[in-house]
Amino acid sequence: ETGVTQSPTHLIKTRGQQVTLRCSSQSGHNTVSWYQQALGQGPQFIFQYYREEENGRGNFPPRFSGLQFPNYSSELNVNALELDDSALYLCASSFAGNYGYTFGSGTRLTVV
Amino acid sequence: AQRVTQPEKLLSVFKGAPVELKCNYSYSGSPELFWYVQYSRQRLQLLLRHISRESIKGFTADLNKGETSFHLKKPFAQEEDSAMYYCALRGAGGTASKLTFGTGTRLQVTL
Repeated sequence: ETGVTQSPTHLIKTRGQQVTLRCSSQSGHNTVSWYQQALGQGPQFIFQYYREEENGRGNFPPRFSGLQFPNYSSELNVNALELDDSALYLCASSFAGNYGYTFGSGTRLTVV
Repeated sequence: AQRVTQPEKLLSVFKGAPVELKCNYSYSGSPELFWYVQYSRQRLQLLLRHISRESIKGFTADLNKGETSFHLKKPFAQEEDSAMYYCALRGAGGTASKLTFGTGTRLQVTL
């Protein structure tokens, strides 16, 4: 059984650029959620996908978008990067949103 | 709205001392509460959830709906318990099924 893997582990981007972060869900999981964790804060919910459809969204602007693929892997896209987007981005998968979520190690994004 | 409050950023205890990490929540319905732990250089992992009523690594947590609390307790702290602990809440289905995390408490167990 594989866990949740995220890529890349670290990324540096310039303000105004676009970024794509990737996540492979744990085997058997069909729900994926993305979280943003700023320094010294708990993770903040960005959105959730279930069977390739977004079924929940947190308080993040539309420039944060995502995709879930038939194999349940997922992408988080952020357009027009701002300095405040610098954070650790966590992906978590589960089965139908039930039970505990399995988290990846995260992608640390730095916007300069 | 869902809100989770962890009032302590840092809790420092001696090995063998009791531990209580506080968590209070705000939610209008019946929430599901979790404790997640993050050891140094490791990913966030589920420690326990209230509906399981289980003890993991000696830790227990009881949901007190009257006080809207879900404090994490352990009678005797061990060095390996040193980590970051996050309390999280999940509401009913749909968009409310997101996890809402507190800001976390760092537990430091010293000899």
